[in-house]
Amino acid sequence: KNEVEQSPQNLTAQEGEFITINCSYSVGISALHWLQQHPGGGIVSLFMLSSGKKKHGRLIATINIQEKHSSLHITASHPRDSAVYICAVRFGAGGTSYGKLTFGQGTILTVHP
Amino acid sequence: EAQVTQNPRYLITVTGKKLTVTCSQNMNHEYMSWYRQDPGLGLRQIYYSMNVEVTDKGDVPEGYKVSRKEKRNFPLILESPSPNQTSLYFCASSTTWSGGMSPLHFGNGTRLTVT
Repeated sequence: KNEVEQSPQNLTAQEGEFITINCSYSVGISALHWLQQHPGGGIVSLFMLSSGKKKHGRLIATINIQEKHSSLHITASHPRDSAVYICAVRFGAGGTSYGKLTFGQGTILTVHP
Repeated sequence: EAQVTQNPRYLITVTGKKLTVTCSQNMNHEYMSWYRQDPGLGLRQIYYSMNVEVTDKGDVPEGYKVSRKEKRNFPLILESPSPNQTSLYFCASSTTWSGGMSPLHFGNGTRLTVT
């Protein structure tokens, strides 16, 4: 069974701290998404990556295909970063299975002032 | 404004009464998909569509139907809702090309309660 594991499940930080959220998956993938969901809010796509590293503002996402692992980093964390962070993996390599997504359980991040 | 629109935002219904949750996107995206989100279980994919008239099952398709008759719309149909379908539902879309898929755009969610 294709599985996606996130860690930690809960993360509490002080404002300004460097934060890392991890995502591991069981088999080779086509792409990995990082999503953000604020309390009571909708879901926003932060990154989609299949190799290497992407950066947007204070957010950095990396993926290591050989180790089947991705990390989401937040530098200089702020209380407005408090949200649930979810990784989602596309295992399909082609055909209609290309559209199937499997999600991690999510990481609840709380950043205190 | 580019967006994915779901309706309704909130819905309370009774067991067995057929309902439809609509999803529409104005970005000419090929890919559309439905997810449900439950405490402790996270997000799970119900159905997805790679293009018009092309749909496929996700991880939890039982009790749901979808159709993709036109590119912009992807309704989720519950023919006979049951209480275990009480959940928060999200629709999403993205564009696709031969080499991959663009980031996902999500609707605002539909909170369904089946009594």
